[in-house]
Amino acid sequence: QKEVEQDPGPLSVPEGAIVSLNCTYSNSAFQYFMWYRQYSRKGPELLMYTYSSGNKEDGRFTAQVDKSSKYISLFIRDSQPSDSATYLCAMKETGTYKYIFGTGTRLKVLA
Amino acid sequence: KAGVTQTPRYLIKTRGQQVTLSCSPISGHRSVSWYQQTPGQGLQFLFEYFSETQRNKGNFPGRFSGRQFSNSRSEMNVSTLELGDSALYLCASSLDGDRVSPLHFGNGTRLTVT
Repeated sequence: QKEVEQDPGPLSVPEGAIVSLNCTYSNSAFQYFMWYRQYSRKGPELLMYTYSSGNKEDGRFTAQVDKSSKYISLFIRDSQPSDSATYLCAMKETGTYKYIFGTGTRLKVLA
Repeated sequence: KAGVTQTPRYLIKTRGQQVTLSCSPISGHRSVSWYQQTPGQGLQFLFEYFSETQRNKGNFPGRFSGRQFSNSRSEMNVSTLELGDSALYLCASSLDGDRVSPLHFGNGTRLTVT
């Protein structure tokens, strides 16, 4: 079993929809959680960064961490065709320098 | 502020050759990490450097090595290339590498081994 599980998709939604992207993990020591967006032929771009549990909002993006369930989510409101990309979750323990990444969910927002 | 710069963007090598990839971090960032990205495995951690010292290493064979210079720039070397080394190699920098300092990635070097 992988440390971080992420549905690969593809996930297709109409423009304007609310998108929910999720990752589950098995290591209860993970404390730092990130979401990245990766366009084709580009490197991952940092979207959200959270520490421990709770919610964080930035514009159309909301990140949630539920440590009791070992589950993190990224919500995208009013999705746009420009949001079409692969979304990667990443997490790490305190005191380590290695991030563990999910394999990514491919999102397609249809105009 | 300039982002993370990786050179070259594309490389084609043959089996048995060696290759060196270069990474310039964001100004002021002292930690540099390297990841290998493949369709099947996703992003796999190679190693992390801070102040010219390797602090963490992933589960890759010794053919994969790296170093960091005093200006925080980093290089990664792969010797005796194998077909399975074909991948996107991503460099990421952060202020520290620990605590509240997320990774910022470059656009990668696409390595093809034939």
